[in-house]
Amino acid sequence: EIVLTQSPGTLSLSPGERVTLSCRASQSVSSNYLAWYQQKPGQAPRLLIYGASSRATGIPDRFSGSGSGTDFTLTISRLEPEDFAVYYCQQYGSSLTFGGGTKVEIK
Amino acid sequence: QVQLVESGGGVVQPGGSLRLSCAASGFTFSSYGIHWVRQAPGKGLEWVAFIRFDGSNEYYADSVKGRFTISRDNSKNTVYLQMNSLRVDDTAVYYCARPSLGGYGGYQCDFDYWGQGTLVTVSS
Repeated sequence: EIVLTQSPGTLSLSPGERVTLSCRASQSVSSNYLAWYQQKPGQAPRLLIYGASSRATGIPDRFSGSGSGTDFTLTISRLEPEDFAVYYCQQYGSSLTFGGGTKVEIK
Repeated sequence: QVQLVESGGGVVQPGGSLRLSCAASGFTFSSYGIHWVRQAPGKGLEWVAFIRFDGSNEYYADSVKGRFTISRDNSKNTVYLQMNSLRVDDTAVYYCARPSLGGYGGYQCDFDYWGQGTLVTVSS
């Protein structure tokens, strides 16, 4: 099973800041089959990025994904108030596993 | 618009059973597999099970294999999750989710639509 480790666990930031979230896999994720989701309290996750770097339908271009192999990154270029949430990575190259999440909170 | 609506959650004693339903609308249900994903209170996401669009194959997480069974009725646009021998650590919100790829591409895939979830509490 591929284990995904997300870091940091929590980020305290202000609106307007740039944020970089990390997702590291215990082994290479085939075909860069990695997705990112955003989850707000009491809501279901929302797909942001698939295939490591492709934005899902309707996702603002301030969200971008990059990386390959075992190291992946989600970047939010300028934090908007609605971006404070928990972010999860998911690999689907070998079965399906999720990372433990990174909480982006208001500083 | 695509909608997934879960139901059937509730409180059950350890060792008991529960059947969850996921009713789908707004897309060609018989062309898509469906996943179940759960989230324990205050914890992260855990993939649980998947059934192919035609019901020909099922896949399970090791943590539920042998206890949970996923099935579907394409005439009712509904997927089920039969949960037996429930344990306290099965307590979670259970989401159904649609993979972004239909047909045979739906197992190892990202999820573009999710239901609102249904809470299962296993407690004595």
